[in-house]
Amino acid sequence: DAGVIQSPRHEVTEMGQEVTLRCKPISGHNSLFWYRQTMMRGLELLIYFNNNVPIDDSGMPEDRFSAKMPNASFSTLKIQPSEPRDSAVYFCASNYGFEGYTFGSGTRLTVV
Amino acid sequence: AQSVTQPDIHITVSEGASLELRCNYSYGATPYLFWYVQSPGQGLQLLLKYFSGDTLVQGIKGFEAEFKRSQSSFNLRKPSVHWSDAAEYFCAVGAHNNNDMRFGAGTRLTVKP
Repeated sequence: DAGVIQSPRHEVTEMGQEVTLRCKPISGHNSLFWYRQTMMRGLELLIYFNNNVPIDDSGMPEDRFSAKMPNASFSTLKIQPSEPRDSAVYFCASNYGFEGYTFGSGTRLTVV
Repeated sequence: AQSVTQPDIHITVSEGASLELRCNYSYGATPYLFWYVQSPGQGLQLLLKYFSGDTLVQGIKGFEAEFKRSQSSFNLRKPSVHWSDAAEYFCAVGAHNNNDMRFGAGTRLTVKP
């Protein structure tokens, strides 16, 4: 298995633009998580899905953030409009049962 | 809800020396405990995990961790550190459904030659 695949690896965008981050979880995993990592806040859970259904989105910072999981093999995290304070590394992770998360390599987002 | 504390933000050890990274958790029941490692520019990689049974667990890359219920701790150890072990280490505690895993703030390990 290729692991959790995230794209793009790096994204530089201007303030106000829409940004879409993509994630392909490991085949067979039934839970998917989106995290944001910054120096100031560390790792923050934004939202997680179980069997493609959003379970807890209490970590989503505001309405500018939205996430979807249309099927078991794909998820997106969208920011519209983006702001400089959204600059961070965004991680996707997936798991099945109690085996612990498998993380993707992350998307480094820079909003200028 | 569960929580985890990593008291050391940054630790420096010499190559070949032993290592212990501290982790304290808070959870009302028997926790699921994990250690992850993050190299620069990479995602987090699972080093080891504890669910039940033997309180000393072995992981990858020569790491081990010991669950001590009386101290609410799950410290990570390695007998001899290699330069390639320089990275950020995260302790995490999960609830029984494992879908609410909380991470510590991380400990950055520097290895001196």
